[in-house]
Amino acid sequence: GAGVSQSPRYKVAKRGQDVALRCDPISGHVSLFWYQQALGQGPEFLTYFQNEAQLDKSGLPSDRFFAERPEGSVSTLKIQRTQQEDSAVYLCASSPDGYAAFFGQGTRLTVV
Amino acid sequence: DQQVKQNSPSLSVQEGRISILNCDYTNSMFDYFLWYKKYPAEGPTFLISISSIKDKNEDGRFTVFLNKSAKHLSLHIVPSQPGDSAVYFCAASALREGGSEKLVFGKGTKLTVNP
Repeated sequence: GAGVSQSPRYKVAKRGQDVALRCDPISGHVSLFWYQQALGQGPEFLTYFQNEAQLDKSGLPSDRFFAERPEGSVSTLKIQRTQQEDSAVYLCASSPDGYAAFFGQGTRLTVV
Repeated sequence: DQQVKQNSPSLSVQEGRISILNCDYTNSMFDYFLWYKKYPAEGPTFLISISSIKDKNEDGRFTVFLNKSAKHLSLHIVPSQPGDSAVYFCAASALREGGSEKLVFGKGTKLTVNP
């Protein structure tokens, strides 16, 4: 498809489990962002890639969160040892010029 | 400390009338502002943006106004249509040389346009 694609759409994880969330950006988009959206809140910045380089990871809440984009296209956000406070919608966005103009549908993570 | 504030959680207007959504920010370094619309179970969709060098930007039924001295922006939708019913997020960024233009979002305003 032409848009940003995220998978899975929904993920239920047991507390302590590791999860991996995938983002396929729009082809050719240099910039890729991850955001976390808690219920009733706006999206909050997690991390930013320009091609394969992770230029900003200041929003990652702990060292349990890790993101990669090894070939400058698909990106994976990994959360280790999930906790209940990790429950949120994780949004990926890509942009041709550095602004988060195009968002995917998000992955709703529920930690039980 | 919220840097972008949308103080109205919800707004209800009649079809055909004007919808005005407001947003305030505190960080004077912000110089680019965007509005996103979000339907349930979908990601935010970019609507319109404005640079700090302008005070107005118009795109069809949507107009964004920026008042830098008041650190305030607003989105006007006219005429409002039932399909405009969604949550609207205000977002801001600060251009940084060599850095990301990460967005700081408000909490959103749920707009309901009644037929």
